[in-house]
Amino acid sequence: QKEVEQDPGPLSVPEGAIVSLNCTYSNSAFQYFMWYRQYSRKGPELLMYTYSSGNKEDGRFTAQVDKSSKYISLFIRDSQPSDSATYLCAMMKTSYDKVIFGPGTSLSVIP
Amino acid sequence: NAGVTQTPKFRVLKTGQSMTLLCAQDMNHEYMYWYRQDPGMGLRLIHYSVGEGTTAKGEVPDGYNVSRLKKQNFLLGLESAAPSQTSVYFCASSYSGQVSSYNEQFFGPGTRLTVL
Repeated sequence: QKEVEQDPGPLSVPEGAIVSLNCTYSNSAFQYFMWYRQYSRKGPELLMYTYSSGNKEDGRFTAQVDKSSKYISLFIRDSQPSDSATYLCAMMKTSYDKVIFGPGTSLSVIP
Repeated sequence: NAGVTQTPKFRVLKTGQSMTLLCAQDMNHEYMYWYRQDPGMGLRLIHYSVGEGTTAKGEVPDGYNVSRLKKQNFLLGLESAAPSQTSVYFCASSYSGQVSSYNEQFFGPGTRLTVL
């Protein structure tokens, strides 16, 4: 079993839709959770960072962590074509630990 | 600032050939990383460096060597390329190894390597 799992998609939604992207993980020691966005043929860039359980909001993006279920989510409100990318979840056990990445979910937002 | 740059962008090798991938960063970051990205596998850490002159193994180090002779450069070498090393290679850097909202890993644009 992989430590971090994501549905690879592709996920295709109409412009303006609410998008839900999810990751599950197996190691309860993970405490730091991140979402990276990767446009086609580019390197990943950090989108959101959260520590432990709870929600964090940044503009149209909300990151949610449920440590009891070992489940994290990224919600995108009012999705735009510019949100079309692959979204990678990532996590660490301690703030100095190596980052473990999920395989990514490909999202297409159709105008 | 250029951020993190990688050279070359594309390369095709034959089995057994050697090559070096160059990563450079102009952000004065201490930590640098080499990852490979394969379909369905996500990013996997090959080697990393916590400062000039230091290197350490990551998750998948076999078949690769690295050097960090200068703070701004991190080199990844393949001594005898194998088809299993066909992948997209990403370099990243961060101020330190600690994750926070203000200390993220910055990634380069990637090198697409094919080994025939």
